[in-house]
Amino acid sequence: GAGVSQSPSNKVTEKGKDVELRCDPISGHTALYWYRQRLGQGLEFLIYFQGNSAPDKSGLPSDRFSAERTGESVSTLTIQRTQQEDSAVYLCASSPRLAGGNEQFFGPGTRLTVL
Amino acid sequence: AQSVSQHNHHVILSEAASLELGCNYSYGGTVNLFWYVQYPGQHLQLLLKYFSGDPLVKGIKGFEAEFIKSKFSFNLRKPSVQWSDTAEYFCAVNAKSYNTDKLIFGTGTRLQVFP
Repeated sequence: GAGVSQSPSNKVTEKGKDVELRCDPISGHTALYWYRQRLGQGLEFLIYFQGNSAPDKSGLPSDRFSAERTGESVSTLTIQRTQQEDSAVYLCASSPRLAGGNEQFFGPGTRLTVL
Repeated sequence: AQSVSQHNHHVILSEAASLELGCNYSYGGTVNLFWYVQYPGQHLQLLLKYFSGDPLVKGIKGFEAEFIKSKFSFNLRKPSVQWSDTAEYFCAVNAKSYNTDKLIFGTGTRLQVFP
């Protein structure tokens, strides 16, 4: 596709349930990122994938959060035993690997509401 | 720790007024700097970026920003705003190291432009 796509666009779940969010990056982009945006706050880095290198997981807030990426394609972010504080918009971005600097292209986000 | 500060949380202007949004960052390494914009109902998109060279960078829709290294600043400017500039604006710094390439975002500035 032309841009980064994410699904679902909205997800409402009950506290304690697991959720899985999906990101399809721009074709050919080797880097993929997940961010979280809580209401009234800036974007918070969660995890970074670059090719086959070990991901940077330093932004994951707890062990309930995990993410996977298959090669240089789709990524899934999983939140286990969701809590109300997990309610946020989860944004995915991808970028090509260019010398000198990389612009990140963002998807539309998944709005997660935990009741 | 890396951080980005946006001093203006909410700015209200009339059309044709001049705009300057402040952004200061804290990061010891080589920086790439970005301004992203989120129009109502749309996803984040790049407004402009600084990687190297001329510290005055021009972006889309008449926006520009100046990188002042000595002040750790990257303020966004537009000489005459339009109603269509109503959006949320995010400043970000690219924190690059051997194992990561994440963006550190400010908390955003909500701009409202009235006709």
